[in-house]
Amino acid sequence: DGGITQSPKYLFRKEGQNVTLSCEQNLNHDAMYWYRQDPGQGLRLIYYSQIVNDFQKGDIAEGYSVSREKKESFPLTVTSAQKNPTAFYLCASSIWPSGGGENEQFFGPGTRLTVL
Amino acid sequence: AQKVTQAQTEISVVEKEDVTLDCVYETRDTTYYLFWYKQPPSGELVFLIRRNSFDEQNEISGRYSWNFQKSTSSFNFTITASQVVDSAVYFCALSLTIQGAQKLVFGQGTRLTINP
Repeated sequence: DGGITQSPKYLFRKEGQNVTLSCEQNLNHDAMYWYRQDPGQGLRLIYYSQIVNDFQKGDIAEGYSVSREKKESFPLTVTSAQKNPTAFYLCASSIWPSGGGENEQFFGPGTRLTVL
Repeated sequence: AQKVTQAQTEISVVEKEDVTLDCVYETRDTTYYLFWYKQPPSGELVFLIRRNSFDEQNEISGRYSWNFQKSTSSFNFTITASQVVDSAVYFCALSLTIQGAQKLVFGQGTRLTINP
């Protein structure tokens, strides 16, 4: 079955550590996205990538980094520079290009990150 | 400014009642798409519907229906004869194309609880 996998499901981090969240898709989608969800809030875009070896900052990129070395993989690193990293992180993918924004995004099951 | 507002933070109804989730959006674009997603307790977002800005026809899919009114910038979602399995957080989102990339702007979400 095609879909998006994220690992781990739960992640605990000590302050000052960098951690990397995995996102893999086998939908053959070109575009991939990372969102952050805080309680009672909608999703906010961290980074997105439309093609391999290229990615763009979203609305809240500070303290995060990404790479896109393979079409199916888009890992997110939460660095120690991110002041409040405790949140639920969702990865998504879609067909690209999107002529008018009509393509729905497919989401993974998420990773819940807690800073101890 | 591009913005989506879901004024209802939480709704709780008894099973079999009808319930409407409100969504109001702001955009200066003439071409755009609107989406509804469902987030069950498992965490991943599930695509429900897409509507483009030129199609104001209402849509019905089983117990779900959507009312798009461009004049009031609203895209409301109604569940008829609600069931416990409808309990989830529902997100309305506005899709934009910026420099060739699709970006989703999410509302804050409405947590719907259906009580047996």
